[in-house]
Amino acid sequence: DGGITQSPKYLFRKEGQNVTLSCEQNLNHDAMYWYRQDPGQGLRLIYYSQIVNDFQKGDIAEGYSVSREKKESFPLTVTSAQKNPTAFYLCASSQAGDRGYYEQYFGPGTRLTVT
Amino acid sequence: LAKTTQPISMDSYEGQEVNITCSHNNIATNDYITWYQQFPSQGPRFIIQGYKTKVTNEVASLFIPADRKSSTLSLPRVSLSDTAVYYCLVGDNQGGKLIFGQGTELSVKP
Repeated sequence: DGGITQSPKYLFRKEGQNVTLSCEQNLNHDAMYWYRQDPGQGLRLIYYSQIVNDFQKGDIAEGYSVSREKKESFPLTVTSAQKNPTAFYLCASSQAGDRGYYEQYFGPGTRLTVT
Repeated sequence: LAKTTQPISMDSYEGQEVNITCSHNNIATNDYITWYQQFPSQGPRFIIQGYKTKVTNEVASLFIPADRKSSTLSLPRVSLSDTAVYYCLVGDNQGGKLIFGQGTELSVKP
């Protein structure tokens, strides 16, 4: 099946540890995105990448890092510098077309809890 | 990216038509209007996208007046499974960025 996979679904870490969230897509989409969602809030963009080996900061990039070495993979590292890392993290992808980027397809999310 | 305003919450009953209106006064000429649906602890799912007038698919209709400063998502004959948060987004699709607001929490009662 085509789609986006995120693993793991639940992740627990101790404060001060870096943690990497996985995101893989087999839709052959050019662009990939990471969002963070806090309870009762909308999604906020952390990083996005429109092409391999290139990525841009979103609205809340501080304390996060990404890489885009392969078209199908866009891992997100939550570093110890992120002050409030506990949240629901969503990865998405979209395809560029003749009228820009089409709709984004989202993965199932990873719920990160840091104590 | 244009800012959107939509009601925080709405209630409805099964079988009714639900209309959720989104205001986007600063919409730009190249902007499209897109709606997403999100269930708890899941990623949002694309519902519909339009530029002007009316767009209909198997799930919903999107009405956009001539001035494009607002749009209305119409869900025909809702069921309990339509209980979700609905997001209205406006953007030109060029940078690939989407700005999600708080959305409208729709509660469908039996």
